[in-house]
Amino acid sequence: RKEVEQDPGPFNVPEGATVAFNCTYSNSASQSFFWYRQDCRKEPKLLMSVYSSGNEDGRFTAQLNRASQYISLLIRDSKLSDSATYLCVVGSTGTASKLTFGTGTRLQVTL
Amino acid sequence: DAGVTQSPTHLIKTRGQQVTLRCSPKSGHDTVSWYQQALGQGPQFIFQYYEEEERQRGNFPDRFSGHQFPNYSSELNVNALLLGDSALYLCASSPDLGWATGELFFGEGSRLTVL
Repeated sequence: RKEVEQDPGPFNVPEGATVAFNCTYSNSASQSFFWYRQDCRKEPKLLMSVYSSGNEDGRFTAQLNRASQYISLLIRDSKLSDSATYLCVVGSTGTASKLTFGTGTRLQVTL
Repeated sequence: DAGVTQSPTHLIKTRGQQVTLRCSPKSGHDTVSWYQQALGQGPQFIFQYYEEEERQRGNFPDRFSGHQFPNYSSELNVNALLLGDSALYLCASSPDLGWATGELFFGEGSRLTVL
């Protein structure tokens, strides 16, 4: 089983739509959670952190369910510029302090 | 303030050859991690350097080795190249404990093609 699993998509949505991405992780000892964005042929960049209480940044809302080991990202009022791959990232410590990336979910927003 | 810089940006090698990729971290960052990203996949963790020592290692063979210098810059070496090593190699720098804050800054990567 992969440490971080995502639906690769692609998700094709019209402008203005609401779209949600999900991610599951296997290491119950994971301690930090993030969403990164990667544009085509570019490097990944941090989009937002994910907290158990949920957090919002403009049109983006991230949620964490530790019991189910599940992370989500909701994008409201999609823009053409939101087209990218969204990577679910989990951080762990102890003997393996590192960030583990999912495969990514590709989003294509169309007119 | 320069971000993470990597060189070379593109390179082509043949099977069995060796390659060295270089990375200069963002100013103020002392931890360097290397990731391999195959086409259509997420970045896969190769290893992490801190204080010139390999601190963590992912599931990669010994053909993959690295080094960190006193100025925190780093090199990734791959020996006996295989076709499957073709990928984008990303260097990411962070302050220590970047795993906790997500403060991982990536370079634009070195795209390696093995023929």
